[in-house]
Amino acid sequence: AQSVSQHNHHVILSEAASLELGCNYSYGGTVNLFWYVQYPGQHLQLLLKYFSGDPLVKGIKGFEAEFIKSKFSFNLRKPSVQWSDTAEYFCAVNAQIYNQGGKLIFGQGTELSVKP
Amino acid sequence: SQTIHQWPATLVQPVGSPLSLECTVEGTSNPNLYWYRQAAGRGLQLLFYSVGIGQISSEVPQNLSASRPQDRQFILSSKKLLLSDSGFYLCAWRATGGGTDTQYFGPGTRLTVL
Repeated sequence: AQSVSQHNHHVILSEAASLELGCNYSYGGTVNLFWYVQYPGQHLQLLLKYFSGDPLVKGIKGFEAEFIKSKFSFNLRKPSVQWSDTAEYFCAVNAQIYNQGGKLIFGQGTELSVKP
Repeated sequence: SQTIHQWPATLVQPVGSPLSLECTVEGTSNPNLYWYRQAAGRGLQLLFYSVGIGQISSEVPQNLSASRPQDRQFILSSKKLLLSDSGFYLCAWRATGGGTDTQYFGPGTRLTVL
């Protein structure tokens, strides 16, 4: 069965530190990949997505993610975090071939706390 | 533009009581719709999805059911709630076409079963 694994459950950083959140998935075929973010008290919203093409994708608020097919990974990065980046981050995969109805498989989530 | 609504925003219910959560989408027609449950430290678990009126696919056998009585309405129900039904319930719709295939989420309903 398809699965998504996020390595860190809770990350604590100081402002201006660099961020990398790990995401690995288990499906070997064609995938669409997503990072969603949930700020405190707000909707779950799309941060960035990868469908095809350049494996380095840029999203909102200075975030980027790199798809490495050989490693089945889609890690999220930001060079310098801000206190406002405090949120929960979810990686998700849509495995194309067997996916009826466009189902997303989510990782467990990573809670990021940024200290001012 | 498309918007997605969920209500109620919060709900506290006793064990054994019924449940009805509603999700509606505006600005699109015949979308795929999804119900997820978010539990602390466990990410989002897909419960049901629907590709059209009256069509429901269940992902996880449990105490809940879903219905889609109208094109842009998706309802999550239970006849008798369990303590384990507590959680944050999210509805989503799927945008396709133009090279995209992305789900967009509603504000959620926080359900506490006591």
